[in-house]
Amino acid sequence: AQSVSQHNHHVILSEAASLELGCNYSYGGTVNLFWYVQYPGQHLQLLLKYFSGDPLVKGIKGFEAEFIKSKFSFNLRKPSVQWSDTAEYFCAVNAYPVNDYKLSFGAGTTVTVRA
Amino acid sequence: GAVVSQHPSRVICKSGTSVKIECRSLDFQATTMFWYRQFPKQSLMLMATSNEGSKATYEQGVEKDKFLINHASLTLSTLTVTSAHPEDSSFYICSARDRSGGYTFGSGTRLTVV
Repeated sequence: AQSVSQHNHHVILSEAASLELGCNYSYGGTVNLFWYVQYPGQHLQLLLKYFSGDPLVKGIKGFEAEFIKSKFSFNLRKPSVQWSDTAEYFCAVNAYPVNDYKLSFGAGTTVTVRA
Repeated sequence: GAVVSQHPSRVICKSGTSVKIECRSLDFQATTMFWYRQFPKQSLMLMATSNEGSKATYEQGVEKDKFLINHASLTLSTLTVTSAHPEDSSFYICSARDRSGGYTFGSGTRLTVV
């Protein structure tokens, strides 16, 4: 079965610092990749997704992610974080077609940005 | 963009009663919807895949007789927690595949069984 690993459980940083969250998955076939954010008390929102094409994906709120197939990774980055980026971040993978359209989620990373 | 509406947002029920949670795709048709459960400070665990017009597909370890799923139309899926017990208390989230091939999530339902 496929698995999704997020290496950082809790990241604490100051405003204007750069952020990188790691995500690795275990499936060797075709994958669709997603990063979601969950602000305190709110529902999951899509930051960005990768289906095919340019492995460097730009999303909303200044986030980007790079798909590196050889490393089975899809790391999320933001050059300069803001206090409002404090949230829970989830990496999710759909291994198509073996897993149909099901999403597997990583454990999540809590990001705390200090003003 | 695609919107998924989930109701209620919070519900408290007595042990032994049943609770129904609705998930609606507001501006698109969703042949497939998904139901997740999220424990505090943990990730989302897929419970079942809801398919319009057919039986839901449950993940291993999820009791289908306890968590009844109905997907009677292209815009509505319901999850009924039957004979709820305190251990069923959790945050339940639905999602639907949208037109872009991505997934839109509902705002979740906080179920507390007392």
